[in-house]
Amino acid sequence: EAQVTQNPRYLITVTGKKLTVTCSQNMNHEYMSWYRQDPGLGLRQIYYSMNVEVTDKGDVPEGYKVSRKEKRNFPLILESPSPNQTSLYFCASSSESSNQPQHFGDGTRLSIL
Amino acid sequence: SQKIEQNSEALNIQEGKTATLTCNYTNYSPAYLQWYRQDPGRGPVFLLLIRENEKEKRKERLKVTFDTTLKQSLFHITASQPADSATYLCALDGAGGYNKLIFGAGTRLAVHP
Repeated sequence: EAQVTQNPRYLITVTGKKLTVTCSQNMNHEYMSWYRQDPGLGLRQIYYSMNVEVTDKGDVPEGYKVSRKEKRNFPLILESPSPNQTSLYFCASSSESSNQPQHFGDGTRLSIL
Repeated sequence: SQKIEQNSEALNIQEGKTATLTCNYTNYSPAYLQWYRQDPGRGPVFLLLIRENEKEKRKERLKVTFDTTLKQSLFHITASQPADSATYLCALDGAGGYNKLIFGAGTRLAVHP
């Protein structure tokens, strides 16, 4: 089954404790991206990747890092999480770029205390 | 920068009627526009994509229009059913080509029996 898998689905942690949210897709997609979703603000793009070793900033990249060492994986790293990063996070992938249908994971709800 | 406006108020309609949701954008005309459905606790699911040179696109009970003069897309669900109740998001390409995707905050649709 074609899917985008995120882990963990839920995480409660404390300020400053590094964390990684993993994202994996099994569709051989080149384009992957991370979004955060906050009430009233909608989905905002954090980072995206056009292909392996090619990443770029979205609209809200501050406080986040990503890497794309393999085509299928695109982890999101919070080196020193802060409470304003409490949010619902989604990973997405598509075959070529943002002008193709995006396949989303089921989300990761992060709470930073 | 590009801004997307979707009606933040929920749309309540009776089963069997046509639901019409609006997506307005403020700046440059996008090369394409996408519509997604999001259920509570789930990631968005792609529904339709319409390109700037297309006036209308249909898929089963769904219809999307794209008016670059009005800077507006309309999303219609005909013969609506309670199962159509969800939040509907529109998205369009950000500045600089096909790398960034900008989402509206979404409109919640409730279809009542």
